[in-house]
Amino acid sequence: AQSVSQHNHHVILSEAASLELGCNYSYGGTVNLFWYVQYPGQHLQLLLKYFSGDPLVKGIKGFEAEFIKSKFSFNLRKPSVQWSDTAEYFCAVRDDKIIFGKGTRLHILP
Amino acid sequence: DAGITQSPRHKVTETGTPVTLRCHQTENHRYMYWYRQDPGHGLRLIHYSYGVKDTDKGEVSDGYSVSRSKTEDFLLTLESATSSQTSVYFCAISEATGSSYGYTFGSGTRLTVV
Repeated sequence: AQSVSQHNHHVILSEAASLELGCNYSYGGTVNLFWYVQYPGQHLQLLLKYFSGDPLVKGIKGFEAEFIKSKFSFNLRKPSVQWSDTAEYFCAVRDDKIIFGKGTRLHILP
Repeated sequence: DAGITQSPRHKVTETGTPVTLRCHQTENHRYMYWYRQDPGHGLRLIHYSYGVKDTDKGEVSDGYSVSRSKTEDFLLTLESATSSQTSVYFCAISEATGSSYGYTFGSGTRLTVV
């Protein structure tokens, strides 16, 4: 069965710091990978997705993620975070349905 | 998001009572999903549907049932609510499966079982 692991449960950064959130998946076949964001009190929104082609994927709000097949990883990055990036971030993998990681709470200090 | 609504937004109910949550979509998407979100567990799939009257179980389906009599509506029923079912429930829709399609989520239903 597929699974998704997010290494960091809670991350605290200052504004302008660089961000990298780890995500590893276990699935041997062709994968579709996603990062979702959930702002406080809101529902999940799609940040970016990978299904083929360039392994470096650009998303909204300056986020990007790199698919490294050999490492089964799909880490999320942002070079300079803002206070408004405070949210919970979920990595997900899709075969016939989407399986989510347990989430990483990101708290940005102003 | 426009196109998918959940009702009610909040509900408090007593242990042992049946509860039905509704997910309504106007996108004519074939696939619909019910997840529950709990701290430390992320989102866990309860049930999903791949068409009218076609449903299947997810990883945490015990104590829940679903029905989909119309494309636009996917109902989640807690047959006899327990405190362990206190959670935030999210509905999601998807145009297709096994491809690059992601989900669109509803705004969630916060259910408290007392």
